[in-house]
Amino acid sequence: GENVEQHPSTLSVQEGDSAVIKCTYSDSASNYFPWYKQELGKGPQLIIDIRSNVGEKKDQRIAVTLNKTAKHFSLHITETQPEDSAVYFCAASRDFGNEKLTFGTGTRLTIIP
Amino acid sequence: DTAVSQTPKYLVTQMGNDKSIKCEQNLGHDTMYWYKQDSKKFLKIMFSYNNKELIINETVPNRFSPKSPDKAHLNLHINSLELGDSAVYFCASSQVTGFAGELFFGEGSRLTVL
Repeated sequence: GENVEQHPSTLSVQEGDSAVIKCTYSDSASNYFPWYKQELGKGPQLIIDIRSNVGEKKDQRIAVTLNKTAKHFSLHITETQPEDSAVYFCAASRDFGNEKLTFGTGTRLTIIP
Repeated sequence: DTAVSQTPKYLVTQMGNDKSIKCEQNLGHDTMYWYKQDSKKFLKIMFSYNNKELIINETVPNRFSPKSPDKAHLNLHINSLELGDSAVYFCASSQVTGFAGELFFGEGSRLTVL
């Protein structure tokens, strides 16, 4: 089955700096890669996703890059703000049938004011 | 209106008891899930249902029994609770069958087994 590794497990950055979270996956047939943000006491919420037919996707201050050859993908947050503090999860799955979504182990991001 | 709502939010109980967590979604989605998040924040799929039919049972002990009376509800019943069942349980739903679309999570139900 799919195995998703996520690094780092914790990350602290100064407000206004950039944050990068990296994930690797094992199943070369995976082609859907979402990122979820979980705030304290809440459920995870999708913030951005990418499919394997593109190498990069941006949405305002967040971007995701995908390298299918190396089987890794990354989340980039620019101009970080205090409200970006949360736990972030990457995930991977095949996007057909009833394949399960496998989550990474999470990164606790803290923005230092 | 909360899209995916779970009750109760907190549940404290003794080992050996039986408990249930209820989930309802008002998004009109066909697929619903239960996830378990342990103390290290690791998220693991337990079950998925599509239009009341079980699609995935991820090697969960049979003390856990999901029930879907209709496609808007997916309840989780746990028999003979054990210490290791302590976790946060999340219900989720999605518009598409399979996992290639957005999952909408509830706020979680924190279960503590003493």
